[in-house]
Amino acid sequence: NAGVTQTPKFRILKIGQSMTLQCTQDMNHNYMYWYRQDPGMGLKLIYYSVGAGITDKGEVPNGYNVSRSTTEDFPLRLELAAPSQTSVYFCASSYGLGTPSNQPQHFGDGTRLSIL
Amino acid sequence: EDKVVQSPLSLVVHEGDTVTLNCSYEVTNFRSLLWYKQEKKAPTFLFMLTSSGIEKKSGRLSSILDKKELFSILNITATQTGDSAVYLCAVEENFNTDKLIFGTGTRLQVFP
Repeated sequence: NAGVTQTPKFRILKIGQSMTLQCTQDMNHNYMYWYRQDPGMGLKLIYYSVGAGITDKGEVPNGYNVSRSTTEDFPLRLELAAPSQTSVYFCASSYGLGTPSNQPQHFGDGTRLSIL
Repeated sequence: EDKVVQSPLSLVVHEGDTVTLNCSYEVTNFRSLLWYKQEKKAPTFLFMLTSSGIEKKSGRLSSILDKKELFSILNITATQTGDSAVYLCAVEENFNTDKLIFGTGTRLQVFP
């Protein structure tokens, strides 16, 4: 089972460039999330989605955009890359409300992004 | 402001030792508390706790939640080098979003 798949695994950007981090899941999960993890820190929520066409801001949304046109895909867009966005980005998914309880979020392997 | 605090930040032990990792929280609408293990890549799920006083156990790992005192502990007995990782505690908010609030993690290093 593929689970949550993120691409690319690594990327180096120059300041001001833009890019899209891809995330797809094959578990038919309703909810999807984007987190960033800075060195020695926990994960902070950037954006989340409770279904196709529905997105909302998390704790640290500035400088990012998302879309959710399908249940499977939840791309994260950086429009004008800044050094402060150097981090490891994790995508996650879960069943969500109305589905079996006690189902945790499942994480992808992450994208390591450096802005120079 | 909702927060999750883990202690200690770092722990170095020898194989065979027993360790206790702590997680305290202040969250307005608590739904559940989760423990994840993070090695080099994705956090992997260990436990989800929703009720006080009920121990969850998986092999040498166990965890318990105290909803009155707002904390949880993760115990690892007879540690092995493969237990070396960052252990993350997260609290799930009781909204229609399943959002998680993470602590900063405890880095455990187990030496032979």
